[in-house]
Amino acid sequence: TQLLEQSPQFLSIQEGENLTVYCNSSSVFSSLQWYRQEPGEGPVLLVTVVTGGEVKKLKRLTFQFGDARKDSSLHITAAQPGDTGLYLCASPRGRDDKIIFGKGTRLHILP
Amino acid sequence: SQTIHQWPATLVQPVGSPLSLECTVEGTSNPNLYWYRQAAGRGLQLLFYSVGIGQISSEVPQNLSASRPQDRQFILSSKKLLLSDSGFYLCAWSVVGGYTFGSGTRLTVV
Repeated sequence: TQLLEQSPQFLSIQEGENLTVYCNSSSVFSSLQWYRQEPGEGPVLLVTVVTGGEVKKLKRLTFQFGDARKDSSLHITAAQPGDTGLYLCASPRGRDDKIIFGKGTRLHILP
Repeated sequence: SQTIHQWPATLVQPVGSPLSLECTVEGTSNPNLYWYRQAAGRGLQLLFYSVGIGQISSEVPQNLSASRPQDRQFILSSKKLLLSDSGFYLCAWSVVGGYTFGSGTRLTVV
């Protein structure tokens, strides 16, 4: 069974600092999705990466897919309080578009 | 536009009472629909999914059931709630590249 391991579990940093969170698996991903979830809301899809080595940018967020497609990272530059939330990685598993999720990294940006 | 609606937002129910959570989508036809539960420290657990009317697949044995009476309606039910059914329930549908989630239902069983 493919498991998604996310690290760190919690991260609290000051506004303006940079940070990186990680998503790893012992198996190869067919593709990898990143979501952000705010308290009391459903997760919102940020990006999907498909190709090994792929890099995608979303304003101050940079998503990277490992060359072997077994790991991914999310780097945030100059973090802002609005970046606070739970960051989840997810990957397809099996048929019918089923997706498995990591447990997430809970990020708190201090003003 | 494509949207997903989920209600109620919060629910407090006594142990042994029934449950019905509803999810509807708009702006699409024949979507794949999913029910997830999110418990603290355990991430999102897939409970049920449906690829069409009347077609339900269960991922884990539990005290819950699901139904899909119409193409864009997905219902999560229980005949008798347990304390362990407490959690944040999320409905989702499959779109290109990932999922779109509803806003969730916070269920507290007391």
